[in-house]
Amino acid sequence: QQPVQSPQAVILREGEDAVINCSSSKALYSVHWYRQKHGEAPVFLMILLKGGEQKGHEKISASFNEKKQQSSLYLTASQLSYSGTYFCGTETTPYDMRFGAGTRLTVKP
Amino acid sequence: DTEVTQTPKHLVMGMTNKKSLKCEQHMGHRAMYWYKQKAKKPPELMFVYSYEKLSINESVPSRFSPECPNSSLLNLHLHALQPEDSALYLCASSQLSGSYNEQFFGPGTRLTVL
Repeated sequence: QQPVQSPQAVILREGEDAVINCSSSKALYSVHWYRQKHGEAPVFLMILLKGGEQKGHEKISASFNEKKQQSSLYLTASQLSYSGTYFCGTETTPYDMRFGAGTRLTVKP
Repeated sequence: DTEVTQTPKHLVMGMTNKKSLKCEQHMGHRAMYWYKQKAKKPPELMFVYSYEKLSINESVPSRFSPECPNSSLLNLHLHALQPEDSALYLCASSQLSGSYNEQFFGPGTRLTVL
């Protein structure tokens, strides 16, 4: 039931772009994206619902392909502050959240 | 107030001890969650409370006992834990109304079982 995330790790230079992918074998109610910095709590970035609605931070964009049960998080013009581990969380029913294994993103100057 | 607080920040306990973790939020959220997170792993869902009633229990061993005394407070009672239970325990909360239930996480309690 855990979604599959890829890649496991990404290293970027400031200003470069990255895409993180998340897929599920089950029909999803929603996909969430969170970022966790070392020693801190996960922070909400984006939620995408089946049916096309989404809500999140202005500078973050994501997509949800309901036919394929896949979501992608797009990080553009990366900044040093984007470094951290990104988790997708999926719900097949509301409130029953399963997190992917995470993608460790490192942005270098 | 958009904060979830957790106490204590750190806890060291022996296998015969009884302790409790506390989580509090004042955002009016009616769903509250406990997660367990091991190092370099994702959070794993343990329990979900909605409207102060336990709605999801992920087959967690009975040595973990959750309690939701009111809509703002969530406790996790610990008894006879094993060393493999050492982890970061995260509490989160979300709204129950509407479609969006983004979760707000507390800073966690880092638990060490000796």
